[in-house]
Amino acid sequence: RKEVEQDPGPFNVPEGATVAFNCTYSNSASQSFFWYRQDCRKEPKLLMSVYSSGNEDGRFTAQLNRASQYISLLIRDSKLSDSATYLCVVANQAGTALIFGKGTTLSVSS
Amino acid sequence: SQTIHQWPATLVQPVGSPLSLECTVEGTSNPNLYWYRQAAGRGLQLLFYSVGIGQISSEVPQNLSASRPQDRQFILSSKKLLLSDSGFYLCAWSPDRVIGGYTFGSGTRLTVV
Repeated sequence: RKEVEQDPGPFNVPEGATVAFNCTYSNSASQSFFWYRQDCRKEPKLLMSVYSSGNEDGRFTAQLNRASQYISLLIRDSKLSDSATYLCVVANQAGTALIFGKGTTLSVSS
Repeated sequence: SQTIHQWPATLVQPVGSPLSLECTVEGTSNPNLYWYRQAAGRGLQLLFYSVGIGQISSEVPQNLSASRPQDRQFILSSKKLLLSDSGFYLCAWSPDRVIGGYTFGSGTRLTVV
């Protein structure tokens, strides 16, 4: 099993759609989880941390299921500017480095 | 506030030539520093990380090396580049542990020809 696994997509959705990305991770001892956003030919930028209780930031909702080792990101009311690659990220067991999934590409069209 | 600088932005180097990429962080002390590579169509691969001056952990054996000569400076080097070294090299920093995630530099796009 890969350390962090994501559906690569692409997800092609119209503006206003709701889209969900899923991710699984292999190390049950991981303690920190994140979603990063990467625009084409740019550096990744932190979108949000992910907590066991679930957390929301505007149109974005992240969920963590530790028992299933599963992370999700929900984007509501998609905007053209949401088009990017979304990276699922998990800290290593020691908490000293981050392990990145290959990313899921989202394309929002008008 | 903390800022991270990485240069150059773009680099084209011949096979067999040396490489030196530099990364510096401002506005913080004793950061954890990281080098990642993103090859075309692939995910981010952790190359090296450092928790202090002179302390380097290598994640992937290859012809690259890293050094941390000063607290806020991290250097990625190679004596002889291979075609397979082409990619997008990203430096990142975090506080002591990665509880809050990383901040990345703007990256260096390296093409080995």
